[in-house]
Amino acid sequence: EAGVTQFPSHSVIEKGQTVTLRCDPISGHDNLYWYRRVMGKEIKFLLHFVKESKQDESGMPNNRFLAERTGGTYSTLKVQPAELEDSGVYFCASSQRTGGYNSPLHFGNGTRLTVT
Amino acid sequence: DAKTTQPTSMDCAEGRAANLPCNHSTISGNEYVYWYRQIHSQGPQYIIHGLKNNETNEMASLIITEDRKSSTLILPHATLRDTAVYYCIVRDHGSSNTGKLIFGQGTTLQVKP
Repeated sequence: EAGVTQFPSHSVIEKGQTVTLRCDPISGHDNLYWYRRVMGKEIKFLLHFVKESKQDESGMPNNRFLAERTGGTYSTLKVQPAELEDSGVYFCASSQRTGGYNSPLHFGNGTRLTVT
Repeated sequence: DAKTTQPTSMDCAEGRAANLPCNHSTISGNEYVYWYRQIHSQGPQYIIHGLKNNETNEMASLIITEDRKSSTLILPHATLRDTAVYYCIVRDHGSSNTGKLIFGQGTTLQVKP
């Protein structure tokens, strides 16, 4: 079974530019999560999709961040315009939901974003 | 905020058992204990989880105290590839919860030859 894949693995952009990160979850996983780790800090939750619906977006830092999951398959996270403090590693994770139980999250290897 | 407390770092000799402790004194009835690890430059990797019984899989064993206020992750024969940051996380399995994980600082385990 293919794992969670993220693209690109690295991205370097200038302040004010736009970047779009993509996540392909494990096939059949309804739950999709975005997390990020900024320099020196803990891994923080950003938001959670169930299929194409946003279940919890309490961790999104501000309205410069837009996450979508059209069709309930892959997801994109757009940062527009990017600021220096957005630099960090963005992780995507997915899990199944059966019988009201959320299975363990499986993470991708992340996208390292550097804003200069 | 994370609901767990772990030591910042630990060392272990290669081939020996690594015992990683975790305190979760405020754990509630619906919450499971999960362990993940992050090897440098990779995403967090699921290891094991449990509610109140001890659990074992091909990677590790999880020992949960009877009062569920603490637990220990055991890597029976640590190798150099087990060097990583290990996270102990309590996760709500209630149907109304999103099932998200809240990460703390974790324990940096250094396995030495």
